[in-house]
Amino acid sequence: EIVMTQSPATLSVSPGERVTLSCRASQNIRNGLAWYQQKPGQAPRLLIYGASTRATGIPVRFSGSGSGTEFTLTISSLQSEDFAVYYCQQYNNWPPITFGQGTRLDIK
Amino acid sequence: QLLLQESGPGLVRSSETLSLTCSVFGGSISKTTFYWGWIRQPPGKGLEWIGSIYFSGSVYHNPSLNSRVTISVDTSKNQFSLKVRSVTASDTAVYYCARQGYYGYDVFDPWGQGTLVTVSS
Repeated sequence: EIVMTQSPATLSVSPGERVTLSCRASQNIRNGLAWYQQKPGQAPRLLIYGASTRATGIPVRFSGSGSGTEFTLTISSLQSEDFAVYYCQQYNNWPPITFGQGTRLDIK
Repeated sequence: QLLLQESGPGLVRSSETLSLTCSVFGGSISKTTFYWGWIRQPPGKGLEWIGSIYFSGSVYHNPSLNSRVTISVDTSKNQFSLKVRSVTASDTAVYYCARQGYYGYDVFDPWGQGTLVTVSS
């Protein structure tokens, strides 16, 4: 099973700031990585797939990068609606599909 | 627009079987490019993939659930279902169904709104 590790667990940031979230895979997953955003009481929402491709309707301030075992999600200028929990998911080698434990973005 | 909706009991007794159904609206579950998945999230915790099924019935499960899981599909009703046997308190979670295979990638989109299942002793 490929273990996905996200860091940090929590990040306190101010609106307008640039933020980078990290996700590490325990094995090479090439570019088989997705990012999701989850707000309280809602289902996760697909942001990024293929490590760097934005899903339909996702604002350009969200960008993903990386390959192999190290990946990042960058939000260029945080908006109030971006404060949420973010999860990475690997799908290069499944089953099982695995998720990271999440990074919570809090308002500073 | 494709919509998925989970349904089933919100309370299950310990040691019994949890049963949920996901109804798919706005598209056919028999479309060949997609799997249909179940994911769960214990309260305050992260996401765990349970398993995925193809319209033909081909299924993949998460080994961590120790073969307690059965996933099935009913193409005539445009639904797929989940059963988890011998539940314990650790099976208490929000259960989501989702389509897997967005643009050919094994990612989940869209998701159902989720349904909370509580296991009681």
